[in-house]
Amino acid sequence: EAGVTQFPSHSVIEKGQTVTLRCDPISGHDNLYWYRRVMGKEIKFLLHFVKESKQDESGMPNNRFLAERTGGTYSTLKVQPAELEDSGVYFCASSQELQGELFFGEGSRLTVL
Amino acid sequence: AQSVTQLDSQVPVFEEAPVELRCNYSSSVSVYLFWYVQYPNQGLQLLLKYLSGSTLVKGINGFEAEFNKSQTSFHLRKPSVHISDTAEYFCAILGNAGNMLTFGGGTRLMVKP
Repeated sequence: EAGVTQFPSHSVIEKGQTVTLRCDPISGHDNLYWYRRVMGKEIKFLLHFVKESKQDESGMPNNRFLAERTGGTYSTLKVQPAELEDSGVYFCASSQELQGELFFGEGSRLTVL
Repeated sequence: AQSVTQLDSQVPVFEEAPVELRCNYSSSVSVYLFWYVQYPNQGLQLLLKYLSGSTLVKGINGFEAEFNKSQTSFHLRKPSVHISDTAEYFCAILGNAGNMLTFGGGTRLMVKP
């Protein structure tokens, strides 16, 4: 069974550009989460999807971030326009049940220059 | 509000020595507790979890943790570490009605030969 996959593994962009991160959860997992770790800080929750619906987006930093989960399958996280402080590792996780075990992807490292 | 504190950002230890990675938390509600491990270039992997029952929890790779409610702690231990245990370890909590993990800052375990 394939795990959670994220693409790209590393992205380097300039301030003001746009980047889209993708997450493919484990098949059949209705719950999909995005987390972020800024350098030297804790891993922080960004948002939670149940199928295609945003259940909780309280952790989204600002309106430069847009997450979607079309058809309740894969999810994208777009940052537009990117700022220096957006640099970090973006983790995606999925679970079958609401409080079930979370399976994490390897993360997408974003560097904004 | 919830918070998790991992007091040690780095723990160097010699191979075959015992190790304890400390985790304290704060929460106004009952929580579930987790330890995750991130090996180099990999995603977060669940090491062990406490949901209820026995306060001593055994996980993978010989790790165990003890939930201490009075001290709001969930320290991770291993009696004898291996080089392959070199990784970053994250303590996390989940409110019993919540949907998001709150992570500590991580502890980098460095096992030396």
